[in-house]
Amino acid sequence: ELKVEQNPLFLSMQEGKNYTIYCNYSTTSDRLYWYRQDPGKSLESLFVLLSNGAVKQEGRLMASLDTKARLSTLHITAAVHDLSATYFCAVDMDNYQLIWGAGTKLIIKP
Amino acid sequence: DAGITQSPRHKVTETGTPVTLRCHQTENHRYMYWYRQDPGHGLRLIHYSYGVKDTDKGEVSDGYSVSRSKTEDFLLTLESATSSQTSVYFCAIRDFNEQFFGPGTRLTVL
Repeated sequence: ELKVEQNPLFLSMQEGKNYTIYCNYSTTSDRLYWYRQDPGKSLESLFVLLSNGAVKQEGRLMASLDTKARLSTLHITAAVHDLSATYFCAVDMDNYQLIWGAGTKLIIKP
Repeated sequence: DAGITQSPRHKVTETGTPVTLRCHQTENHRYMYWYRQDPGHGLRLIHYSYGVKDTDKGEVSDGYSVSRSKTEDFLLTLESATSSQTSVYFCAIRDFNEQFFGPGTRLTVL
């Protein structure tokens, strides 16, 4: 059974700081996704990582995938308040069914 | 915007009553999914469809049934709602390697 663990589950940080969210998963997969969710809203696709070593960047967010370590990271550079949200990783079970982490609630204080 | 709508957006019902949620898409995507979102659990897959009249169970399918008689509509039915089915329900479609989500339905079972 595939399990996906995110940590931390809650993160409060100051604007301008850097931080990393981790996503570990328990069985082999080479497709991993990151989503953002604002309170009371739907989920927005951020990154699709489709192979070992994949790295994608959008603004202050960068995601990477290490399939051998079964680990993905979401790095936040010089955080700004607008990045406050809950971030989810999801792992593909080889049939496009996704197993989701519990989410990391990120609060960025001015 | 992947052209996904959900109805109703909010519903309050009583234990034991049947409830049907509708997901409608406008772009002819083959794969559609129903998830539920609960605090601390991320998203969990209920059922999915890979074509008209082709559906399969996800990890939390007990107490739910689905139907897809047209490409554009995917219905989720709670035959006899229970309080444990109080949740936010999201529909999603798959477009190439990504899943895109509808706005969600908040269901409360009293």
